[in-house]
Amino acid sequence: IVMTQSPATLSVSPGERATLSCRASQSIRNNLAWYQQKPGQAPRLLIYGASTRATGIPARFSGSGSGTEFTLTISSLQSEDFAVYYCQQYNNWPREYTFGQGTKLEIK
Amino acid sequence: EVQLLESGGGLVQPGGSLRLSCAASGFTFSNYAMSWVRQTPGKGLEWVSTISDSGDYTYYAESVTGRFTISKDKSKNTLYLQMTSLRAEDTAVYSCALYGRYQMQYFDYWGQGTLVTVSS
Repeated sequence: IVMTQSPATLSVSPGERATLSCRASQSIRNNLAWYQQKPGQAPRLLIYGASTRATGIPARFSGSGSGTEFTLTISSLQSEDFAVYYCQQYNNWPREYTFGQGTKLEIK
Repeated sequence: EVQLLESGGGLVQPGGSLRLSCAASGFTFSNYAMSWVRQTPGKGLEWVSTISDSGDYTYYAESVTGRFTISKDKSKNTLYLQMTSLRAEDTAVYSCALYGRYQMQYFDYWGQGTLVTVSS
């Protein structure tokens, strides 16, 4: 299963909404996670099950979608949200996991 | 606090071997499945291998099957990745990743990674 994220880079001003997309090459139901990665840091789990926020993740982060189309929305961007975001599918766990190539969210 | 600390990376020639370690703390090691994931600027994130909580079951990406072996030492709270027949395309930062309790689907925690460079 190939995961495709768009756009590759997204420029948004602080306080605005950001919408990131992830598409699967075939249906993965809701077997999708989102991660945030800042330079020099390990990825951080944000969302699993396509829409469930991980422990400690602020409510401004929300996930939606099922099947092949998924969205991560950050409702009001804070300075600490500028990072690279990855989606990951686990529909065929534990034998296959694939990641999108990432969306870099940068300050406009 | 969960901590995952990788070590063992370095420069190795094509065809060579290397063993990576991931020292784990802050959780009951024997109760959790874990994985190795690698990252390169060109190919992004790639799942490499998974081991069950008991260590009885292991899974590998096609690209490393037959060359890499994942294992865990419960007495040392350490995860390993034995890599043999290394190729240039195995060059990457290798991170260990921890699944949540009772699941092997997504990664609750990741280590910072250790760099493996395969080059002559």
